[in-house]
Amino acid sequence: QSVLTQPPSVSAAPGQKVTISCSGSSSNIGNNYVSWYQQLPGTAPKLLIYENNKRPSGIPDRFSGSKSGTSATLGITGLQTGDEADYYCGTWDSSLSVWVFGGGTKLTVL
Amino acid sequence: EVQLVESGGGLVQPGRSLRLSCTASGFTFGDYAMSWFRQAPGKGLEWVGFIRSKAYGGTTEYAASVKGRFTISRDDSKSIAYLQMNSLKTEDTAVYYCTRASGGWPSYYFDYWGQGTLVTVSS
Repeated sequence: QSVLTQPPSVSAAPGQKVTISCSGSSSNIGNNYVSWYQQLPGTAPKLLIYENNKRPSGIPDRFSGSKSGTSATLGITGLQTGDEADYYCGTWDSSLSVWVFGGGTKLTVL
Repeated sequence: EVQLVESGGGLVQPGRSLRLSCTASGFTFGDYAMSWFRQAPGKGLEWVGFIRSKAYGGTTEYAASVKGRFTISRDDSKSIAYLQMNSLKTEDTAVYYCTRASGGWPSYYFDYWGQGTLVTVSS
Protein backbone atom coordinates (compact mmCIF):
# COMPACT_ATOMS: atom_id res chain seq x y z
CA GLN A 1 0.00 0.00 0.00
CA SER A 2 1.63 3.24 -1.19
CA VAL A 3 1.56 6.41 0.90
CA LEU A 4 0.61 8.39 -2.21
CA THR A 5 -2.45 7.28 -4.18
CA GLN A 6 -2.48 7.20 -7.97
CA PRO A 7 -4.99 5.57 -10.32
CA PRO A 8 -3.58 2.24 -11.57
CA SER A 9 -4.28 3.10 -15.18
CA VAL A 10 -5.52 5.81 -17.51
CA SER A 11 -6.09 5.79 -21.24
CA ALA A 12 -6.88 8.21 -24.03
CA ALA A 13 -6.63 8.49 -27.79
CA PRO A 14 -3.69 10.00 -29.66
CA GLY A 15 -3.83 13.77 -29.68
CA GLN A 16 -6.07 13.92 -26.63
CA LYS A 17 -5.27 15.10 -23.10
CA VAL A 18 -5.00 13.05 -19.93
CA THR A 19 -4.48 13.86 -16.28
CA ILE A 20 -2.99 11.65 -13.59
CA SER A 21 -3.79 12.42 -9.98
CA CYS A 22 -1.62 11.87 -6.92
CA SER A 23 -3.23 12.14 -3.51
CA GLY A 24 -1.38 12.40 -0.23
CA SER A 25 -1.56 14.17 3.11
CA SER A 26 -0.27 17.22 4.96
CA SER A 27 2.90 15.36 5.96
CA ASN A 28 3.95 14.79 2.36
CA ILE A 29 2.35 16.56 -0.59
CA GLY A 30 0.78 19.21 1.61
CA ASN A 31 4.14 20.55 2.79
CA ASN A 32 6.75 19.40 0.27
CA TYR A 33 7.45 19.68 -3.41
CA VAL A 34 6.20 16.94 -5.74
CA SER A 35 8.12 15.47 -8.65
CA TRP A 36 6.93 13.18 -11.43
CA TYR A 37 8.80 10.41 -13.24
CA GLN A 38 8.15 8.62 -16.50
CA GLN A 39 9.26 5.02 -16.93
CA LEU A 40 9.08 3.72 -20.48
CA PRO A 41 8.93 -0.09 -20.78
CA GLY A 42 12.23 -1.71 -19.93
CA THR A 43 14.02 1.53 -19.12
CA ALA A 44 15.07 3.55 -16.10
CA PRO A 45 12.74 6.26 -14.80
CA LYS A 46 13.18 9.80 -16.09
CA LEU A 47 12.38 13.07 -14.34
CA LEU A 48 9.40 14.82 -15.96
CA ILE A 49 8.36 17.49 -13.45
CA TYR A 50 10.07 18.84 -10.34
CA GLU A 51 9.07 21.30 -7.62
CA ASN A 52 5.39 20.74 -8.48
CA ASN A 53 5.33 22.37 -11.90
CA LYS A 54 8.82 22.86 -13.35
CA ARG A 55 10.05 21.00 -16.41
CA PRO A 56 13.69 19.98 -16.83
CA SER A 57 15.30 21.06 -20.05
CA GLY A 58 14.33 18.76 -22.89
CA ILE A 59 10.91 17.90 -21.51
CA PRO A 60 8.25 19.20 -23.93
CA ASP A 61 5.61 21.61 -22.70
CA ARG A 62 2.98 18.95 -23.42
CA PHE A 63 3.79 17.80 -19.89
CA SER A 64 2.65 19.95 -16.96
CA GLY A 65 2.34 19.63 -13.22
CA SER A 66 0.24 21.29 -10.57
CA LYS A 67 -0.42 20.99 -6.86
CA SER A 68 -3.33 21.99 -4.68
CA GLY A 69 -3.43 21.22 -0.98
CA THR A 70 -2.60 17.55 -0.51
CA SER A 71 -3.00 16.52 -4.16
CA ALA A 72 -0.90 16.88 -7.27
CA THR A 73 -1.73 16.36 -10.92
CA LEU A 74 0.30 15.52 -14.00
CA GLY A 75 -1.18 16.64 -17.30
CA ILE A 76 -0.20 15.42 -20.73
CA THR A 77 -1.60 17.02 -23.87
CA GLY A 78 -1.28 15.99 -27.50
CA LEU A 79 -0.86 12.34 -26.53
CA GLN A 80 1.51 10.25 -28.61
CA THR A 81 2.00 6.49 -28.69
CA GLY A 82 5.49 7.12 -27.38
CA ASP A 83 3.97 8.46 -24.15
CA GLU A 84 2.83 4.96 -23.17
CA ALA A 85 4.64 4.40 -19.91
CA ASP A 86 4.28 4.15 -16.16
CA TYR A 87 4.13 7.48 -14.35
CA TYR A 88 5.07 7.96 -10.70
CA CYS A 89 4.63 10.89 -8.34
CA GLY A 90 7.00 11.28 -5.41
CA THR A 91 7.78 13.53 -2.46
CA TRP A 92 9.32 13.58 1.00
CA ASP A 93 7.12 12.55 3.92
CA SER A 94 8.09 14.69 6.90
CA SER A 95 6.34 12.47 9.45
CA LEU A 96 7.78 9.18 8.23
CA SER A 97 11.14 10.76 7.28
CA VAL A 98 11.19 8.81 4.04
CA TRP A 99 10.81 9.53 0.36
CA VAL A 100 7.47 8.18 -0.84
CA PHE A 101 6.11 7.28 -4.26
CA GLY A 102 2.68 6.66 -5.60
CA GLY A 103 2.00 3.16 -6.83
CA GLY A 104 2.38 4.26 -10.43
CA THR A 105 -0.12 4.86 -13.24
CA LYS A 106 0.06 2.99 -16.52
CA LEU A 107 -0.83 5.23 -19.44
CA THR A 108 -2.26 3.58 -22.54
CA VAL A 109 -2.61 5.61 -25.72
CA LEU A 110 -5.36 3.83 -27.63
CA GLU B 1 26.95 14.79 -20.21
CA VAL B 2 25.85 13.44 -16.84
CA GLN B 3 26.23 9.68 -16.56
CA LEU B 4 25.59 7.26 -13.72
CA VAL B 5 26.69 3.66 -14.11
CA GLU B 6 25.77 1.03 -11.55
CA SER B 7 27.73 -2.17 -11.11
CA GLY B 8 28.03 -5.06 -8.68
CA GLY B 9 24.65 -6.70 -9.07
CA GLY B 10 24.17 -10.42 -9.39
CA LEU B 11 22.87 -13.56 -7.73
CA VAL B 12 23.45 -13.88 -3.99
CA GLN B 13 22.18 -16.26 -1.34
CA PRO B 14 19.88 -15.10 1.48
CA GLY B 15 21.84 -13.80 4.45
CA ARG B 16 24.88 -12.87 2.39
CA SER B 17 26.21 -9.43 1.46
CA LEU B 18 26.68 -7.49 -1.76
CA ARG B 19 28.09 -4.06 -2.55
CA LEU B 20 26.81 -1.98 -5.44
CA SER B 21 28.80 0.87 -6.94
CA CYS B 22 27.59 3.92 -8.83
CA THR B 23 30.25 5.64 -10.90
CA ALA B 24 29.36 9.20 -11.83
CA SER B 25 30.70 11.51 -14.52
CA GLY B 26 29.81 14.78 -16.18
CA PHE B 27 29.22 16.81 -13.00
CA THR B 28 30.95 17.80 -9.77
CA PHE B 29 30.05 14.71 -7.79
CA GLY B 30 30.89 16.13 -4.38
CA ASP B 31 28.35 18.94 -4.75
CA TYR B 32 25.35 16.60 -4.88
CA ALA B 33 23.42 14.23 -2.69
CA MET B 34 23.07 10.76 -4.17
CA SER B 35 20.21 8.34 -3.75
CA TRP B 36 19.40 4.70 -4.37
CA PHE B 37 16.05 3.32 -5.46
CA ARG B 38 14.89 -0.17 -6.31
CA GLN B 39 12.14 -1.85 -8.28
CA ALA B 40 11.11 -5.42 -7.64
CA PRO B 41 10.03 -7.40 -10.72
CA GLY B 42 6.68 -6.12 -11.94
CA LYS B 43 6.38 -3.69 -9.03
CA GLY B 44 6.62 0.06 -8.48
CA LEU B 45 9.53 2.23 -7.44
CA GLU B 46 10.81 2.12 -3.86
CA TRP B 47 13.24 4.56 -2.29
CA VAL B 48 16.16 2.87 -0.52
CA GLY B 49 18.06 5.81 0.91
CA PHE B 50 20.32 8.74 0.19
CA ILE B 51 23.54 10.36 1.27
CA ARG B 52 23.92 14.11 1.49
CA SER B 53 26.92 15.96 0.15
CA LYS B 54 29.85 16.62 2.48
CA ALA B 55 28.75 20.26 2.63
CA TYR B 56 25.66 19.01 4.45
CA GLY B 57 27.50 16.55 6.63
CA GLY B 58 27.44 13.56 4.30
CA THR B 59 24.67 12.14 6.45
CA THR B 60 22.32 9.39 5.36
CA GLU B 61 18.63 8.50 5.50
CA TYR B 62 17.14 5.07 4.85
CA ALA B 63 13.83 3.41 4.20
CA ALA B 64 12.52 1.38 7.13
CA SER B 65 12.74 -1.81 5.08
CA VAL B 66 16.54 -1.57 4.79
CA LYS B 67 17.60 0.43 7.85
CA GLY B 68 20.23 -1.41 9.82
CA ARG B 69 21.05 -3.74 6.92
CA PHE B 70 22.02 -1.36 4.10
CA THR B 71 24.65 1.40 4.20
CA ILE B 72 25.20 4.14 1.67
CA SER B 73 28.62 5.76 1.42
CA ARG B 74 30.50 7.92 -1.01
CA ASP B 75 34.04 8.50 -2.25
CA ASP B 76 34.10 12.00 -3.70
CA SER B 77 37.71 11.59 -4.89
CA LYS B 78 36.56 8.78 -7.19
CA SER B 79 33.02 10.08 -7.90
CA ILE B 80 31.52 6.83 -6.66
CA ALA B 81 28.54 6.14 -4.44
CA TYR B 82 28.18 2.76 -2.78
CA LEU B 83 25.31 0.69 -1.48
CA GLN B 84 26.47 -1.97 0.96
CA MET B 85 23.75 -4.56 1.43
CA ASN B 86 24.04 -7.01 4.32
CA SER B 87 21.75 -9.77 5.59
CA LEU B 88 20.03 -9.91 2.23
CA LYS B 89 16.51 -11.29 2.02
CA THR B 90 14.60 -12.72 -0.92
CA GLU B 91 12.40 -9.62 -0.86
CA ASP B 92 15.44 -7.48 -1.65
CA THR B 93 15.40 -8.92 -5.18
CA ALA B 94 15.06 -5.92 -7.49
CA VAL B 95 16.68 -3.69 -10.03
CA TYR B 96 18.67 -1.09 -8.10
CA TYR B 97 18.99 2.43 -9.50
CA CYS B 98 21.48 5.10 -8.54
CA THR B 99 20.31 8.70 -8.92
CA ARG B 100 21.60 12.22 -8.48
CA ALA B 101 19.56 14.32 -6.08
CA SER B 102 19.10 17.98 -6.94
CA GLY B 103 17.25 20.77 -5.14
CA GLY B 104 17.58 20.97 -1.38
CA TRP B 105 16.59 18.53 1.33
CA PRO B 106 13.82 17.68 1.94
CA SER B 107 12.76 18.90 -1.48
CA TYR B 108 15.11 16.71 -3.44
CA TYR B 109 14.23 15.62 -6.92
CA PHE B 110 16.10 12.96 -8.84
CA ASP B 111 17.19 14.35 -12.17
CA TYR B 112 19.56 11.68 -13.43
CA TRP B 113 19.20 7.91 -13.14
CA GLY B 114 21.55 5.09 -13.93
CA GLN B 115 20.51 2.17 -16.09
CA GLY B 116 20.04 -0.06 -13.05
CA THR B 117 21.65 -3.27 -11.87
CA LEU B 118 19.73 -6.44 -11.02
CA VAL B 119 20.16 -8.04 -7.62
CA THR B 120 18.66 -11.50 -7.20
CA VAL B 121 18.54 -13.00 -3.72
CA SER B 122 17.89 -16.70 -3.93
CA SER B 123 19.23 -19.97 -2.64
